Amino acid sequence: QVQLVQSGAEVKKPGSSVKVSCKASGDTLSNLAISWVRQAPGQGPEWMGGIIPLFRSISYAQMFRGRLTITADESSSTAYMELTSLRSEDTAVYYCARRLGIGWFHPWGQGTLVTVSS
Amino acid sequence: IVLTQSPGTLSLSPGERATLSCRASQSVSGNYLAWYQLKPGQAPRLLIYGASARATGIPDRFSGSGSGTDFTLTIGGLEPEDSAVYYCQQYVSSLALTFGGGTKVETK
Repeated sequence: QVQLVQSGAEVKKPGSSVKVSCKASGDTLSNLAISWVRQAPGQGPEWMGGIIPLFRSISYAQMFRGRLTITADESSSTAYMELTSLRSEDTAVYYCARRLGIGWFHPWGQGTLVTVSS
Repeated sequence: IVLTQSPGTLSLSPGERATLSCRASQSVSGNYLAWYQLKPGQAPRLLIYGASARATGIPDRFSGSGSGTDFTLTIGGLEPEDSAVYYCQQYVSSLALTFGGGTKVETK
């Protein structure tokens, strides 16, 4: 079965960038559709975007276009999410998840806490 | 599509039935709605997809129903380990997936 393991917590300064990794096991990354979802404190989850390596397809939610880059390294079975121009409102737990069917998510990674603070 | 969940918090005793509501701002075509369980420090867990299909390994006390704009997650016979926050998610538009604000379920 597919398992997703993410990189560890990060503390970043406003204006900087963060790159979070998500390593897949149980299937080859090219066979998976990986999405990134974040959850800020006290809020519901928010879909950020996703990648399907097999089709070289990448999509972004409108509010993150221009600041978000999602990539995949099939040789290491790892997907990445890089968010630039960080601000305090980007403080959240960031999850990767396998997107199934038309758009539900299973399984999820364990989450990566990104704290943006001066 | 905006999803509004109610109530915000549900406090029930073990064995009681929990009824969680998810209301959409417009019709969720194809019943493209999923439910997740989130516990602190754990990966989110898929419970239901397609509004009523139970995910693999999910106990049958969890059931989903509804169509159009009104959906319900029912936990029949609440267990202490069911204490968590539950979110609904729609996937009508593949580029505008949205989640609700969540319902916190507490067992007394």
